[in-house]
Amino acid sequence: SQQGEEDPQALSIQEGENATMNCSYKTSINNLQWYRQNSGRGLVHLILIRSNEREKHSGRLRVTLDTSKKSSSLLITASRAADTASYFCATGAGNQFYFGTGTSLTVIP
Amino acid sequence: KAGVTQTPRYLIKTRGQQVTLSCSPISGHRSVSWYQQTPGQGLQFLFEYFSETQRNKGNFPGRFSGRQFSNSRSEMNVSTLELGDSALYLCASSVGGGGGNQPQHFGDGTRLSIL
Repeated sequence: SQQGEEDPQALSIQEGENATMNCSYKTSINNLQWYRQNSGRGLVHLILIRSNEREKHSGRLRVTLDTSKKSSSLLITASRAADTASYFCATGAGNQFYFGTGTSLTVIP
Repeated sequence: KAGVTQTPRYLIKTRGQQVTLSCSPISGHRSVSWYQQTPGQGLQFLFEYFSETQRNKGNFPGRFSGRQFSNSRSEMNVSTLELGDSALYLCASSVGGGGGNQPQHFGDGTRLSIL
């Protein structure tokens, strides 16, 4: 399988703390995307980082990409209870698109 | 702009039956992809359609098929249903780029349960 893997599988933090999730993938990529999924809902696109970029910000989100290590990280700063969800990385390579296994984040009010 | 709409939201079928799921993409989006999500296997890519043609296909048996109409709406069909087909089926649309070069917009899925 060419799926990526997120680490940790589950993360529980207090509101206001930062949350960091990591993604490792196996093949060369065109870009990497992060998505959020609330329970019972579809996925919501958060951020796209291209293979020639190393860092990208969007609001409270910060994404880094290290193509030499085939890894990416998603940092959510000042977390809120509403950030409770599963987070997935997705990689595009050639004409295929692969999702990772996901990190389940719980933010405790 | 209306989002991606999937119908029905919930479906219960028995083994051996067939099922058709529907997806209406965001207006102007020409690419529609289908995914199967299960607790054990995660999100698995089924296939992608662009301008009524299947452009990419995942590693699923021939019981899983799809099509796309001229208005970009897409349907997915599963024949001879098996217990293992129980899953959340997600549809996603994008403007047109392949290889995940553009953000995908997802519907809320169809929850299929096989008895």
